[in-house]
Amino acid sequence: GAVVSQHPSWVICKSGTSVKIECRSLDFQATTMFWYRQFPKQSLMLMATSNEGSKATYEQGVEKDKFLINHASLTLSTLTVTSAHPEDSSFYICSASGREGREQYFGPGTRLTVT
Amino acid sequence: AQKITQTQPGMFVQEKEAVTLDCTYDTSDQSYGLFWYKQPSSGEMIFLIYQGSYDEQNATEGRYSLNFQKARKSANLVISASQLGDSAMYFCALRYNFNKFYFGSGTKLNVKP
Repeated sequence: GAVVSQHPSWVICKSGTSVKIECRSLDFQATTMFWYRQFPKQSLMLMATSNEGSKATYEQGVEKDKFLINHASLTLSTLTVTSAHPEDSSFYICSASGREGREQYFGPGTRLTVT
Repeated sequence: AQKITQTQPGMFVQEKEAVTLDCTYDTSDQSYGLFWYKQPSSGEMIFLIYQGSYDEQNATEGRYSLNFQKARKSANLVISASQLGDSAMYFCALRYNFNKFYFGSGTKLNVKP
């Protein structure tokens, strides 16, 4: 149980375009979803926390207008990178927690390359 | 502010030997959790073991055990009988503020045959 999927697993886009990444909890209801960013050989950095039906809470230094997060249902959250630039190239990982909230279940990640 | 420190950027261990990966933390929360994750080159985060701040016994999961020393604020991961498949990045994480995670910088473990 507690499976989280991400789509796509990798994406290449041109500078200036937008790209959407989906995060789904497959077998449980995710009251909270988290989005992380990981640069090569670095740790995971929390970007934002989203609760179903409410606006996402962004960590300090994360541009909310650039990284749009929507948590429309208890099983789906999306991250849209708007007007992507090469410096946005990174590994994006989502995670989800259920009502108990003690544990986070991680998706497999999405590798974004902006050319 | 929350803080997690992993002081070993890289470690080598001989196959079948035990290895300890260090993790120290700092938090003002009374209730918190400590997690260890394994991240192979594929990028997925694999949950290994969890220790709650009020748990009196050290957590164990198969070949993984967590050496929890609350007074010293350390939560070291011990992997017994290392296998070649254990080669990966290992991250210590602190759960704070009910459900937020803060990750350490990671330790790259290489298991030598």
